[in-house]
Amino acid sequence: QVQLVQSGAEVKKPGASVKVSCKASGYTFAGYYIHWVRQAPGQGLEYMGRIDPNSGGTRYAQKFQDRVTVTRDTSISTAYMELSKLTSDDTAVYYCARWPTPPYAMDVWGQGTTVTVSS
Amino acid sequence: EIVLTQSPGTLSLSPGERATLSCRASQSVSSSYLAWYQQKPGQAPRLLIYGASSRATGIPDRFSGSGSGTDFTLTISRLEPEDFAVYCCHQYGNSPYTFGQGTKLEIK
Repeated sequence: QVQLVQSGAEVKKPGASVKVSCKASGYTFAGYYIHWVRQAPGQGLEYMGRIDPNSGGTRYAQKFQDRVTVTRDTSISTAYMELSKLTSDDTAVYYCARWPTPPYAMDVWGQGTTVTVSS
Repeated sequence: EIVLTQSPGTLSLSPGERATLSCRASQSVSSSYLAWYQQKPGQAPRLLIYGASSRATGIPDRFSGSGSGTDFTLTISRLEPEDFAVYCCHQYGNSPYTFGQGTKLEIK
């Protein structure tokens, strides 16, 4: 079946970087953009950015522009999200999601990766 | 940035009742690119509605979406026990894409 499987929980110190992976299966990886969304404890969802697995083209939300890098490895159908210069405000669950062409919305989500930033 | 305001913050109803959830945008949502998600504790969001009124694959017809411009509504016609969760609206017509803060639907 169509699914996105993310890497496991991470604990990082302030100032460090984290890289989360998102492995796709059950569909043609290159055919759908992969987007990243995060959710801080008790808070709503926050959009971070996306990658076109076909071209490698990316677009980021302005808030994260200087700190986030999304990449992909088409040979293993996996997307990556790296966030640098971590602070405690980056403690959150990070999700990847598949997004067909609008008007469709994000229809398949990874299970989430908890990133905890603590000294 | 479009701000999405959901109301009420919490809705207490009983199984079998009708639920009406509101999502108001600070400016018009382009092309009615408005989605609704359901989220249960410890789980990823689940897409219910896209394009303001189209049900996603496998979503029961008791869920319906309506609205355009700045005012959108999610209606659950007859609540089932598994429907008690947090519901979040999401606009993807204007960058940056934004989400509402959520409505918690709890059992009365």
